Amino acid sequence: QAQVVQSGPEVKKPGASVKVSCKASGYTFGNSGITWVRQAPGQGLEWVGWISVYNRNTKYADKFQGRVTMTADTSTSTAEMELRNLRPDDTAVYYCTRDRMVAATSKMDVWGQGTTVTVSS
Amino acid sequence: QSALTQPPSASGSPGQSVTISCTGSSSDLGAYNFVSWYQQLPGKAPRLLIYEVNKRPSGVPDRFAGSRSGNTASLTVSGLQAEDEADYYCSSYADSNNLVFGGGTRVTVL
Repeated sequence: QAQVVQSGPEVKKPGASVKVSCKASGYTFGNSGITWVRQAPGQGLEWVGWISVYNRNTKYADKFQGRVTMTADTSTSTAEMELRNLRPDDTAVYYCTRDRMVAATSKMDVWGQGTTVTVSS
Repeated sequence: QSALTQPPSASGSPGQSVTISCTGSSSDLGAYNFVSWYQQLPGKAPRLLIYEVNKRPSGVPDRFAGSRSGNTASLTVSGLQAEDEADYYCSSYADSNNLVFGGGTRVTVL
């Protein structure tokens, strides 16, 4: 069955960068998109951005523009999100999800287990 | 992009129906058919319940139904069961390839 498995928890200091990865299996990775969503402690879901695995097009939420980079590697069926210049309010669970090849159309039907990123001095 | 508006809580007794609203604008929910709903059980990752306003992925019971009128979408859970107690989030495509979520609604089964 289709699944995405994410990398482990991270603890970072303010100003640092973090990379979160997810490995897909059970479906044709190259015919999909990957959407990243985060959830701060006790808060709701927040869209971080999307990448088309097919052509590597990306779309990032305005608030993350300039701080985030999303990549995908079809040879390893792995997607990665890098968030730079971390702040304490970036502390959240980050989810990798399978989505469509069209940006922001929200059919996130496979979710990773989540990766906790903690930003603290 | 502004978040969609959901009531913070809703409740119902087992077997009853509960409807959750999600209000957006003509720049998102009212203009596009890419409205989705997600269920998040305590301590778990979210799960897709509804996409494109009213379509259910395979495996989602037909007790869950989505609809939209104007700038407001709704999720109705019929025949409420104890395992439906969860947080529910709506989302919508918004202008210029953006995605917005609602703030979430906690459903309590009385």
